[in-house]
Amino acid sequence: QVQLQQSGPGLVKPSQTLSLTCAISGDSVSSNRVTWNWIRQSPSRGLEWLGRTYYRSKWKNDYALSVQSRITINPDTSKNQFSLQFNSVTPEDTAVYYCVRGVSGSLDFWGQGTLVSVSS
Amino acid sequence: DLVMTQSPLSLPVTLGQSASVSCRSPRSLVFSDGNTYLSWFQQRPGQSPRRLIYQVSNRDSGVPDRFSGSGSGTDFTLKISGVEAEDVGVYYCMQASHWPWTFGQGTKVEIK
Repeated sequence: QVQLQQSGPGLVKPSQTLSLTCAISGDSVSSNRVTWNWIRQSPSRGLEWLGRTYYRSKWKNDYALSVQSRITINPDTSKNQFSLQFNSVTPEDTAVYYCVRGVSGSLDFWGQGTLVSVSS
Repeated sequence: DLVMTQSPLSLPVTLGQSASVSCRSPRSLVFSDGNTYLSWFQQRPGQSPRRLIYQVSNRDSGVPDRFSGSGSGTDFTLKISGVEAEDVGVYYCMQASHWPWTFGQGTKVEIK
């Protein structure tokens, strides 16, 4: 059974960088069958797909256009995990952030979620 | 981005009765490989979303058979046959046939 364990701060100041990590068990971040995604959920935006990283002979990333200038998703093969860095945050980035495994055109396993508040 | 429209947004149901949630796309969700990448998720209060259905009608392991998915092209339905108390929550559809992947706004199922 795949499990995703998220970690990271729940409070970030405006203009700073939001950083979250997702540790994977039961699968490999380097698997060429799946993708590793970040999704957020807020009352104003609902569920919003942010981006993903995946390995297909080499590492690749895809990002939502709305956030692509501020987001970086990186794999860490030594720790079997992946991370989200979100720059220049504003209060509108306050949301619950989820790491999620993607497979065959869907999302199957979700992390526990991290509520990140952007406030001074 | 493809806007997925769910209806109703709120669905009060009596225990034991059936409930249906609709999800509509402005464009066909048939992908170039012939598959239709439409999934359904359940989010119970205070929990992460959980996938119930993938590729329109395939039920995930451990999902009760009272949950079923149907539809094609642009119109899809999630049906709960005989709602139980544990089914309370918000249900979301998600399309992965067009980039970027997008979700419906959610349908809240509650017991009358």
